[in-house]
Amino acid sequence: DAKTTQPPSMDCAEGRAANLPCNHSTISGNEYVYWYRQIHSQGPQYIIHGLKNNETNEMASLIITEDRKSSTLILPHATLRDTAVYYCIVVYQLIWGAGTKLIIKP
Amino acid sequence: GAVVSQHPSWVICKSGTSVKIECRSLDFQATTMFWYRQFPKQSLMLMATSNEGSKATYEQGVEKDKFLINHASLTLSTLTVTSAHPEDSSFYICSAPLPANYGYTFGSGTRLTVV
Repeated sequence: DAKTTQPPSMDCAEGRAANLPCNHSTISGNEYVYWYRQIHSQGPQYIIHGLKNNETNEMASLIITEDRKSSTLILPHATLRDTAVYYCIVVYQLIWGAGTKLIIKP
Repeated sequence: GAVVSQHPSWVICKSGTSVKIECRSLDFQATTMFWYRQFPKQSLMLMATSNEGSKATYEQGVEKDKFLINHASLTLSTLTVTSAHPEDSSFYICSAPLPANYGYTFGSGTRLTVV
C-alpha cells in the first residue's frame, strides 16, 4: 500500500513561504496526491491535489517530482492562520500519516 | 462546493449510554461515507466504510456491534456508539468521496466525551 512520510513539525516566519515536503515513493501511476490541513478540533480542509503536473490554486502550490515519489506543498505567504497539521495522502489510500505540524511565527 | 454536515459537534454522555452521530451530504449524493476516529495528537484512523443500501465494512479491530453504522439514504449516514465507555472518548469525523478525482470532503467532526 502506498504510504506517505512527512517531517513531524516545521516552523515558518509569517509572510515567508512555507515549503512542506512529502515522500510517497510507492505511489502508483494513477494515484493522485492530496494535501489537507487540520486546525485543532476541526475536520480536515482540502488544500490542493495533483497527479503529475505542478498545480496552483488560491491557497497553495503543489510541486510533484518527475518520478512522482515526492511532492512539496508551498504556502507562498504564510499567515498565523496557516498554523495547522498538514497531511499529504495518496488517494485511494485511506491511510493517514502523522502529518506535519506547521507553526507560523510572527 | 460539496459539503458534509456533521452533528453534533460535541457531546458528553454517561458511561453505558449510546450516542448517535449524523453526517449529511448537503448538495451532492454520497453513496459512500468513511468514518474516522482521531485521538489527541494522533492522526485520523479509518474505522469503517458505509455504503448506501448495504452493510458497512469495518476495519480490523473495530467492533461492529459497538459502532453501528447506518447509511439509509444517499444523503445520510449515521454512526452510533453503543454502550459508550470513557475509552471511546475521541474525535469522530466523517468523510465522503468527491467525483472526478477531487478527493474527499470532511465533516467538521464530533468531539465525544464519555464520563
